[in-house]
Amino acid sequence: QKEVEQDPGPLSVPEGAIVSLNCTYSNSAFQYFMWYRQYSRKGPELLMYTYSSGNKEDGRFTAQVDKSSKYISLFIRDSQPSDSATYLCAMGGGSNYKLTFGKGTLLTVNP
Amino acid sequence: EAGVAQSPRYKIIEKRQSVAFWCNPISGHATLYWYQQILGQGPKLLIQFQNNGVVDDSQLPKDRFSAERLKGVDSTLKIQPAKLEDSAVYLCASSKTSEYNEQFFGPGTRLTVL
Repeated sequence: QKEVEQDPGPLSVPEGAIVSLNCTYSNSAFQYFMWYRQYSRKGPELLMYTYSSGNKEDGRFTAQVDKSSKYISLFIRDSQPSDSATYLCAMGGGSNYKLTFGKGTLLTVNP
Repeated sequence: EAGVAQSPRYKIIEKRQSVAFWCNPISGHATLYWYQQILGQGPKLLIQFQNNGVVDDSQLPKDRFSAERLKGVDSTLKIQPAKLEDSAVYLCASSKTSEYNEQFFGPGTRLTVL
């Protein structure tokens, strides 16, 4: 079993849809959970950062962490064509501060 | 604030040749990371530097890959000799400290090994 599992998609939605992206993990030591967005031919950029369990909202984006289920989610409301990108979950824990990334989900928002 | 700079952006070599990548992190960032991102995969950490010391190189194929960070600023990653499976995007990232802070990524170097 991989430490981090993420459905690679691709996921195609119409503009204005609510998008749900998910990752599961197996390492109970993970406490830091992040979502990165990666546009084609670019490096990843941090979108959301959550410590431990709970929800975090930033504009149209909401990140949720359920440590009991080892499951994290990213919701995008009112999706826009500019949201079309690959979304990577990343997580870490412990003193080595190492991040483990998921494979990424390719999202296309159609106008 | 200038971002993480990497060069070259693209490189095509034949197997068994050598190649080097360069990274200039954001000014003042103590921690520098090199990741390998194979097509369709997430970034995989190759090596992490704190200033000019190595923190983690457990996933660096040391028989062919080497990296250094001179004076705790710029870094180079070298592959010698290259194999077909080294075809990937090599990403450099930096952060203020080695804790779980935001990592800022460069645009990457896309390597193709023929």
